[in-house]
Amino acid sequence: SAVISQKPSRDICQRGTSLTIQCQVDSQVTMMFWYRQQPGQSLTLIATANQGSEATYESGFVIDKFPISRPNLTFSTLTVSNMSPEDSSIYLCSVERWTSGSLNEQFFGPGTRLTVL
Amino acid sequence: RKEVEQDPGPFNVPEGATVAFNCTYSNSASQSFFWYRQDCRKEPKLLMSVYSSGNEDGRFTAQLNRASQYISLLIRDSKLSDSATYLCVVKTMNTGFQKLVFGTGTRLLVSP
Repeated sequence: SAVISQKPSRDICQRGTSLTIQCQVDSQVTMMFWYRQQPGQSLTLIATANQGSEATYESGFVIDKFPISRPNLTFSTLTVSNMSPEDSSIYLCSVERWTSGSLNEQFFGPGTRLTVL
Repeated sequence: RKEVEQDPGPFNVPEGATVAFNCTYSNSASQSFFWYRQDCRKEPKLLMSVYSSGNEDGRFTAQLNRASQYISLLIRDSKLSDSATYLCVVKTMNTGFQKLVFGTGTRLLVSP
């Protein structure tokens, strides 16, 4: 399995401010994924981050609001900019890794629980 | 229409019961299918992949019907520890990458 850590684990922020979430993986991976899980909802992909290139954003998510860095193969950051209460959510980092047989399993970090007041 | 649809539940069952969850997906080009389990305030974890031939892992059986775009999960002899949210997940191609699309999840509560 992949060991993924995220910082911070939770935060309470004021509207209009920004928060940067860090994701660290225990080994090198090509792609890292950032998801959002709003209260009572399922996971929604925000963007896919390849090392050395611009992140690819899903419909409804833009770089100005959710800038992503991917400086190396084990680390990524997601910034939630100019926050509003609607950004209150759990943000999860994820990676893919080959496991048994031909299964390419996706592992998730523990998540960052963000509350915006 | 959501790309992956599930009955949100909750399904309340006694220990030892058999329970089945269903899921439908809208993208016929979807390539891989999974069931993930998510415990309260935890991250999702892979429970099992789903193959056209059907697959079984202990008390869990998953089935895929590509023609009907339908996925199922059967849990036999339910345990208290099976209480969780079960997420139906579909992998599709997206702008050169494969991406996972999650259903909203079906909540299972197993009681003594």
